[in-house]
Amino acid sequence: KAGVTQTPRYLIKTRGQQVTLSCSPISGHRSVSWYQQTPGQGLQFLFEYFSETQRNKGNFPGRFSGRQFSNSRSEMNVSTLELGDSALYLCASSPEGRFEQYFGPGTRLTVT
Amino acid sequence: GQNIDQPTEMTATEGAIVQINCTYQTSGFNGLFWYQQHAGEAPTFLSYNVLDGLEEKGRFSSFLSRSKGYSYLLLKELQMKDSASYLCAVRDRNRDDKIIFGKGTRLHILP
Repeated sequence: KAGVTQTPRYLIKTRGQQVTLSCSPISGHRSVSWYQQTPGQGLQFLFEYFSETQRNKGNFPGRFSGRQFSNSRSEMNVSTLELGDSALYLCASSPEGRFEQYFGPGTRLTVT
Repeated sequence: GQNIDQPTEMTATEGAIVQINCTYQTSGFNGLFWYQQHAGEAPTFLSYNVLDGLEEKGRFSSFLSRSKGYSYLLLKELQMKDSASYLCAVRDRNRDDKIIFGKGTRLHILP
């Protein structure tokens, strides 16, 4: 089975712009979670989707949003980018009925 | 709230054994994970404990004590490739089973 894929792998944006990141989970996985990873804060939970519904949300401002499609692919969007949004954004999927997560390679976002 | 503590860095020697500790405080504990993350790569799942006791998986073992809010990851017969960060994470049923990660322990293996 192919693993979790994320596109793009690297992105450079300017303050004030918006960005959309994409995640394709492992085939058959319907749960997708997003995390932000920075050296200072570690892995921080953004949100979780299951069957196109947001099941859980972390403590991030409303500029961070996401959605999931009927094929379980997910996107996250960050609007009005700030320098502090520079981070590695990781997507993870879980098999139904199990709790371990399988992570994608991440998207490295740099905001200048 | 929720708090997960683990040492920031540890150093061990190739062939030796190392124990990485994790303590947590959560109102609705519902399972603890360990992940390994090599520099520049994504985390990979190592173990999941929901009941007290030791789970062994090859060279890696994970222990949980729910009453003490404590877990450890034990790595035996250390190899250079074990140099990585090890992340402890907890599920909280009082927060819709959200998974919260600790900041990770960076393990350095010396030859």
